[in-house]
Amino acid sequence: DAMVIQNPRYQVTQFGKPVTLSCSQTLNHNVMYWYQQKSSQAPKLLFHYYDKDFNNEADTPDNFQSRRPNTSFCFLDIRSPGLGDAAMYLCATSRRTGGKRFFGPGTRLTVL
Amino acid sequence: DQQVKQNSPSLSVQEGRISILNCDYTNSMFDYFLWYKKYPAEGPTFLISISSIKDKNEDGRFTVFLNKSAKHLSLHIVPSQPGDSAVYFCAASAGGVQGAQKLVFGQGTRLTINP
Repeated sequence: DAMVIQNPRYQVTQFGKPVTLSCSQTLNHNVMYWYQQKSSQAPKLLFHYYDKDFNNEADTPDNFQSRRPNTSFCFLDIRSPGLGDAAMYLCATSRRTGGKRFFGPGTRLTVL
Repeated sequence: DQQVKQNSPSLSVQEGRISILNCDYTNSMFDYFLWYKKYPAEGPTFLISISSIKDKNEDGRFTVFLNKSAKHLSLHIVPSQPGDSAVYFCAASAGGVQGAQKLVFGQGTRLTINP
């Protein structure tokens, strides 16, 4: 089945220790997104790639970076995680522009 | 600035009855609206959408109504089933189906269907 896969599902890191979250897709979609969702809040878009073009949201902290080495994979790098970065991180894809997103199961990040 | 609001964090409905989930938005440029459903430990999955040129879209037990003048949409589930118990997110974008990349989500409403 075509799908969006996120690894790991649960990640624990220490305050200030860099961490990388992984997303892969078998849908061959052009666009890949990273969302941050804190408890009882709406998912918040951090950035997205349209093919190789990176689009950062204006309010995404510099602490968050992303890489997309090929169509299938996209990574979220948090350079110096703070306690406030503990959240669920959702990866999503879409074919082109447009509203219908296909989401992965998410990675829950804990910062100690 | 919460542009998409789901004011009810939770809703409990008896099996077989109608579930009505509400969503309000403030940005008049929004013209495409979606509902996503999320089970625990899974990502959100697309449920149903509506374009602003319509006021109703129906798919099986799910119907979405859009009231543009009130900037309000609602999701009706009839009849409600235990498997409908999940968190439901409303989302909106500007620029139509082929338009803007950015979807703005509401905070979600947790629906519980009681047997």
